[in-house]
Amino acid sequence: EVQLVQSGAEVKKPGESLKISCKGSGYTFTNYWIGWVRQMPGKGLEWMGSIYPGDSDTRYSPSFQGQVTISADKSISTAYLQWSRLKASDTAMYYCARGISSTDYWGQGTLVTVSS
Amino acid sequence: DVVMTQSPLSLPVTLGQPASISCRSSQSLVHSDGNTYLNWFQQRPGQSPRRLIYKVSNRDSGVPDRFSGSGSGTDFTLKISRVEAEDVGVYYCMQGTHWPRTFGGGTKVEIK
Repeated sequence: EVQLVQSGAEVKKPGESLKISCKGSGYTFTNYWIGWVRQMPGKGLEWMGSIYPGDSDTRYSPSFQGQVTISADKSISTAYLQWSRLKASDTAMYYCARGISSTDYWGQGTLVTVSS
Repeated sequence: DVVMTQSPLSLPVTLGQPASISCRSSQSLVHSDGNTYLNWFQQRPGQSPRRLIYKVSNRDSGVPDRFSGSGSGTDFTLKISRVEAEDVGVYYCMQGTHWPRTFGGGTKVEIK
């Protein structure tokens, strides 16, 4: 069974760093792109970027380029989304999803709250 | 970026009645490989998005056949033939042809 399991909810202060994770199982992790999607409170879905764990090819939406870093460790079938300096406006639910032109499996989401 | 425009924003529907959601893209979604990567997702309250339809009209496994997708080029439609209570949620189209991937703004389906 294909599963994407994300790390737990986080509460951080502005200026802090954060790295959240998405662990894939039930399929060959290196053969599928993993994307990250943001959903701000009460809002729609926004594509942030994607990584191909097989060769670490990474693509970012211009809106998120330079704001976050997407990475993957294929040895443990895990993709990451990280911030070096969080802002209050980063408060959102973050989803990982498998696929590049379409996303067939999604993680359960990681809620990130940034508040002083 | 390719802009995906959904309408309506809100869709109150009577149980058992049909519903239709439109999604228009600012550019053709026909990929150089000949495929059209237009997807539809359902997001029920408090849940992760779930894919219903991929490549315009292909229904995912386990998706009831009352859901259907159609369209071409820049103009696409998701139809629910007879709305059931479990269909309440927000529906999003997403294009997977151009970078960056982009979603429509969502259509909230509710029961009248």
